[in-house]
Amino acid sequence: KNEVEQSPQNLTAQEGEFITINCSYSVGISALHWLQQHPGGGIVSLFMLSSGKKKHGRLIATINIQEKHSSLHITASHPRDSAVYICAVRPPGAGSYQLTFGKGTKLSVIP
Amino acid sequence: NAGVTQTPKFQVLKTGQSMTLQCAQDMNHEYMSWYRQDPGMGLRLIHYSVGAGITDQGEVPNGYNVSRSTTEDFPLRLLSAAPSQTSVYFCASSYSGLTSGATIYFGEGSWLTVV
Repeated sequence: KNEVEQSPQNLTAQEGEFITINCSYSVGISALHWLQQHPGGGIVSLFMLSSGKKKHGRLIATINIQEKHSSLHITASHPRDSAVYICAVRPPGAGSYQLTFGKGTKLSVIP
Repeated sequence: NAGVTQTPKFQVLKTGQSMTLQCAQDMNHEYMSWYRQDPGMGLRLIHYSVGAGITDQGEVPNGYNVSRSTTEDFPLRLLSAAPSQTSVYFCASSYSGLTSGATIYFGEGSWLTVV
């Protein structure tokens, strides 16, 4: 079973700061997902990565397959970015559906 | 387009009672799954389905039952509720079993307390 570790567990930032959340995993994967869980509980998919880098607005996600590591960056952070960010990995192979999730990083952005 | 709809949002059960959490999606997704989320732990897969009539167990299937009679619906049944099943439950769906960069869509969650 893949072990997925996220760091930090908790993060407090001032509005406008650049934020980095890290995700490491122990076994090779076919894809990695970054998810955002709002304070009310709803979960939204932000990115799916299998290599390289993706950008959406102020969010950037990168993955290094060789190092088994991914980062989620938030530029110019805003209080509305306050949420729990979750990394999830998918094992290789067709028909592999069982995602393994990290425990999440709780981000609080203070005005 | 409603996405993934879960009901109920909140439920309190007595030990030994049974209940069904409903999940429906209107995106014609083949893949549907149920997760539970507990404090200090990541989401864990309970059961999943890759299409109507096909279901399989995930990481923590004991005490739960599922069926998939239509593409749209994937109910989760608690057979005899136990306090250890107190949790937040999420239903999710996507195209093609998460292949080819398929986005995964989650329901809003169901908060279940077993007393």
